Amino acid sequence: AQKITQTQPGMFVQEKEAVTLDCTYDTSDQSYGLFWYKQPSSGEMIFLIYQGSYDEQNATEGRYSLNFQKARKSANLVISASQLGDSAMYFCAMRVGGTYKYIFGTGTRLKVLA
Amino acid sequence: NAGVTQTPKFQVLKTGQSMTLQCAQDMNHNSMYWYRQDPGMGLRLIYYSASEGTTDKGEVPNGYNVSRLNKREFSLRLESAAPSQTSVYFCASSDLREGNNEQFFGPGTRLTVL
Repeated sequence: AQKITQTQPGMFVQEKEAVTLDCTYDTSDQSYGLFWYKQPSSGEMIFLIYQGSYDEQNATEGRYSLNFQKARKSANLVISASQLGDSAMYFCAMRVGGTYKYIFGTGTRLKVLA
Repeated sequence: NAGVTQTPKFQVLKTGQSMTLQCAQDMNHNSMYWYRQDPGMGLRLIYYSASEGTTDKGEVPNGYNVSRLNKREFSLRLESAAPSQTSVYFCASSDLREGNNEQFFGPGTRLTVL
C-alpha cells in the first residue's frame, strides 16, 4: 500500500536557524513524485517543492531543499534561515506515476520563535 | 487567472440538509479532486475526476456525490449532511504532465453540520 508518514506532529525552531521536517514514503513503484506543501494559519495550500524519483539531484527552491534518500524512502524538507513567516503546517505528499491520486501525510506544525 | 475557486467559503447546515460545494478552475487542467481536512488527519481524498466525463472514489467517499460538469467545474454534493461531515473541504486540480505535476488548491470551504 502507498503511504506517507510524517512522524513530527509539531516542531519549534529559532528564527534564522535551519530546520528539517521528516517525511518517509512507502511505494513499490519505481516512478513517483514527492511534493511539499505549506499551509499557513490562513488556510490556503501553497506548493513548495517537488522531487521526481528519477531525479539525481536533490531539489532546491530558494530557502527550501528536499533531502531525497531513495534507499531509505525518505524525502525530508529542509528550511534554511527560518523566518517568522515560516510558521505553518507542512504536508508531504506523493503521486505514483501512472495514477491520478495524490497521497498526503498528516502534517507537521512548525513554529518559528523570535 | 483566478486559479481554483470554491464557493461558498463558509457554510452551516443542520443534520439531514443537503448542499453542493462548487469548484472551478481556469488552468485547463484535466484532473480535479475533492479533499476533506480534519485535525490530525491531513488531507483525505473524497472523489477525483481524472478527466472530463469520469469520476472515481477516493479514500472517504461515503455520504458524498460528485459531478464533473465540464472541464472547468467539479462539484461535491452532500445529500443528507451528518455531524461527521463537519470539516474543511478543498478542491484541487492538476494537469498530470510528466515531471512536476503539482496540485493547485482552492481556498477551502469550512463546513459545520449541527
